[in-house]
Amino acid sequence: GENVEQHPSTLSVQEGDSAVIKCTYSDSASNYFPWYKQELGKRPQLIIDIRSNVGEKKDQRIAVTLNKTAKHFSLHITETQPEDSAVYFCVPEGGGNKLTFGTGTQLKVEL
Amino acid sequence: KAGVTQTPRYLIKTRGQQVTLSCSPISGHRSVSWYQQTPGQGLQFLFEYFSETQRNKGNFPGRFSGRQFSNSRSEMNVSTLELGDSALYLCASSGGTGSYEQYFGPGTRLTVT
Repeated sequence: GENVEQHPSTLSVQEGDSAVIKCTYSDSASNYFPWYKQELGKRPQLIIDIRSNVGEKKDQRIAVTLNKTAKHFSLHITETQPEDSAVYFCVPEGGGNKLTFGTGTQLKVEL
Repeated sequence: KAGVTQTPRYLIKTRGQQVTLSCSPISGHRSVSWYQQTPGQGLQFLFEYFSETQRNKGNFPGRFSGRQFSNSRSEMNVSTLELGDSALYLCASSGGTGSYEQYFGPGTRLTVT
């Protein structure tokens, strides 16, 4: 099965700073790379995704970059705000429509 | 469109009992996946159903089973409950064909005593 590692496991930044979370995966057949955000007590929600034929995708303050050769993709959040505080999961699609959640990164944005 | 719904929202069971959880996907979605979420193990994939067939399966014992009905509603069953089965069980639906975004339900909080 797909081995997914996510780093760091916790990240604390000051409001307005940038945050970067990295995800490495093992299945070279993976071709879909989403990031989910789960706020405390709420359900996970997709925030951005990228397919393997694209190296970078941006949506306002968030962006995802993909290095398929090295088998890693990263989430970038700029100008962080308190509402960005949540757990973030990378979820590479390991072939056959099977999604494997990473271990999660607890992001805390401090005022 | 109405979102994914799960029933019941909370459940308390005793060791050795069995439990059935229900999930109604977004209208038109044919894929339903189930996940177990615990503080220690994170979010773990249980199985996925598509058009009434189990398409993917995670690494859980045979005590965990599921099924999907013709209207895409899905049920998950856990037999011979153990204390370690206490968790939040989330289901998620997706379009299923070339559309991987998972829409999650609110979850069922299962406590085994």
